[in-house]
Amino acid sequence: GAVVSQHPSWVICKSGTSVKIECRSLDFQATTMFWYRQFPKQSLMLMATSNEGSKATYEQGVEKDKFLINHASLTLSTLTVTSAHPEDSSFYICSARPKAERGYTFGSGTRLTVV
Amino acid sequence: SQQGEEDPQALSIQEGENATMNCSYKTSINNLQWYRQNSGRGLVHLILIRSNEREKHSGRLRVTLDTSKKSSSLLITASRAADTASYFCATGRDTDKLIFGTGTRLQVFP
Repeated sequence: GAVVSQHPSWVICKSGTSVKIECRSLDFQATTMFWYRQFPKQSLMLMATSNEGSKATYEQGVEKDKFLINHASLTLSTLTVTSAHPEDSSFYICSARPKAERGYTFGSGTRLTVV
Repeated sequence: SQQGEEDPQALSIQEGENATMNCSYKTSINNLQWYRQNSGRGLVHLILIRSNEREKHSGRLRVTLDTSKKSSSLLITASRAADTASYFCATGRDTDKLIFGTGTRLQVFP
């Protein structure tokens, strides 16, 4: 079946540093990928839509200069949290849709802790 | 943005019992999907129901959709301890964006 691989699974970083999270579709091409953020015991909030070869589309309230998204190939999207602060600590999950009218496949998530 | 609400927020049952979770949404949709998430993990797609469908089955899962009421339900029959997880509904529209509901935390006691 369709697999989305996300790395790293967890990361701890110092305030002010940047962290890059990768999301790869392993056995299908994904022209579009999605990035979500999830706080403890809460639902997933869509942050942005990553479009291969073009700029990402950000949801209202999400700072595009803080959460840099790059989708340089049909199988890889990256999310970079720049100048991270403790309030950025969260669970970040990516997803892609292998085929139309099917469910989405999610990565295993990245637990980011900013200290 | 959050598309909808789910209830109950939390549900505790014994193994063998049925679990029913409800989802309400706000806008028109093309399809509605249900996902499961084990603690601290990614999401697993369970079932997709199109807006022109009213009911769908997959194993022990039964999903209904009422577009006039903008609501859906997920029924898990003969629950098992391994069904313990959070369950989310998510709606899809013309774009590929999926918007999630608030989720139901299900605990199944052996």
